[in-house]
Amino acid sequence: DAKTTQPNSMESNEEEPVHLPCNHSTISGTDYIHWYRQLPSQGPEYVIHGLTSNVNNRMASLAIAEDRKSSTLILHRATLRDAAVYYCILRGGSEKLVFGKGTKLTVNP
Amino acid sequence: DAGITQSPRYKITETGRQVTLMCHQTWSHSYMFWYRQDLGHGLRLIYYSAAADITDKGEVPDGYVVSRSKTENFPLTLESATRSQTSVYFCASSEDSLNTGELFFGEGSRLTVL
Repeated sequence: DAKTTQPNSMESNEEEPVHLPCNHSTISGTDYIHWYRQLPSQGPEYVIHGLTSNVNNRMASLAIAEDRKSSTLILHRATLRDAAVYYCILRGGSEKLVFGKGTKLTVNP
Repeated sequence: DAGITQSPRYKITETGRQVTLMCHQTWSHSYMFWYRQDLGHGLRLIYYSAAADITDKGEVPDGYVVSRSKTENFPLTLESATRSQTSVYFCASSEDSLNTGELFFGEGSRLTVL
């Protein structure tokens, strides 16, 4: 299964943009890039996904490199409620979804 | 209520006892998953199921048994609990598309094995 690499932790200030990176150098052409986040004491929740083009939704934006070997989750204005662990995973038609450790985002007031 | 629910939310048991964690979803999703989460390890896949009566091993299946006789239920059984199985367990279900389908997670079941 293709793997992803994320920094263990990142820090941001409230109301500033946050760019969370993810490397996936072994991504295959059919793999979709998904992002989930896990708030404290909760189950993970879906954030966004994409294949090749950049994607936007009400929660975040996803910027995908042209060679698709990396992607960045963008939170345009971080709030204290965005403090969570963010997971980048690849979905390529296999049920065996592996999450990894993710990036713990701390948002400072 | 619609959604995915896990029970019990909290369970304390003793080494060697059998424990079953229940997972129920109301969307008729084909795919269901069990993950465990321990400090320093993130989410690790235990078992998954593509449909009723179809299950397969994930990353850490040893010591666990699953079944899927009905689409909406996916119980996880620890046949003889060990202290190393103390963890938070999350069940998830997914829409049919393996590429784009969103995973929906339950609130988790916190298991302590004494």
